[in-house]
Amino acid sequence: GENVEQHPSTLSVQEGDSAVIKCTYSDSASNYFPWYKQELGKRPQLIIDIRSNVGEKKDQRIAVTLNKTAKHFSLHITETQPEDSAVYFCAARWNSNSGYALNFGKGTSLLVTP
Amino acid sequence: GAVVSQHPSWVICKSGTSVKIECRSLDFQATTMFWYRQFPKQSLMLMATSNEGSKATYEQGVEKDKFLINHASLTLSTLTVTSAHPEDSSFYICSASPGTGDGRNEQYFGPGTRLTVT
Repeated sequence: GENVEQHPSTLSVQEGDSAVIKCTYSDSASNYFPWYKQELGKRPQLIIDIRSNVGEKKDQRIAVTLNKTAKHFSLHITETQPEDSAVYFCAARWNSNSGYALNFGKGTSLLVTP
Repeated sequence: GAVVSQHPSWVICKSGTSVKIECRSLDFQATTMFWYRQFPKQSLMLMATSNEGSKATYEQGVEKDKFLINHASLTLSTLTVTSAHPEDSSFYICSASPGTGDGRNEQYFGPGTRLTVT
């Protein structure tokens, strides 16, 4: 099955700085890579996603890059704000026994200090 | 758009009883729904995938007789934790997807259900 590794597990940045979270995946057949933001006690929210036929996607302060050859993808947050503080999960879609499922990384706890 | 509700948001039950959790897609039809379990400060672990009108497919290590899943319509899936024990206490989250295969891949999550078994 798919194995997703995510680093770092915790990240602390000052407001206004950039934050980068990196993930690697194992199944070369994976073709969809979403990123979720989860605030404490709340549901994961899809913030951006990328498909394997695209190398980069940007949405305002958030961008995701994908390197299919190296099987890694990254989340970039620029001009961070305190409200960006949350746990971020990367995921890769793989064809499991149950169809097309998402396998999640272990999460990165991002803290943006004023 | 793409709103998923989950009910109840929290439940406390006694050991040995059963608990049913509902997951609904409110503004789209979900051909596939997923059930996850999340322990504190940990990632989401896929328990099972359910497709409308067919039996759920469980991930390795998940007891299908303990975690009963029913996906009776394109907008509703239920998870029943049978004969609950304290070790079943966890945060259960469902997600719903509008499509399958190489169609729409997005998964939208419900708000989760905090289950505490005493």
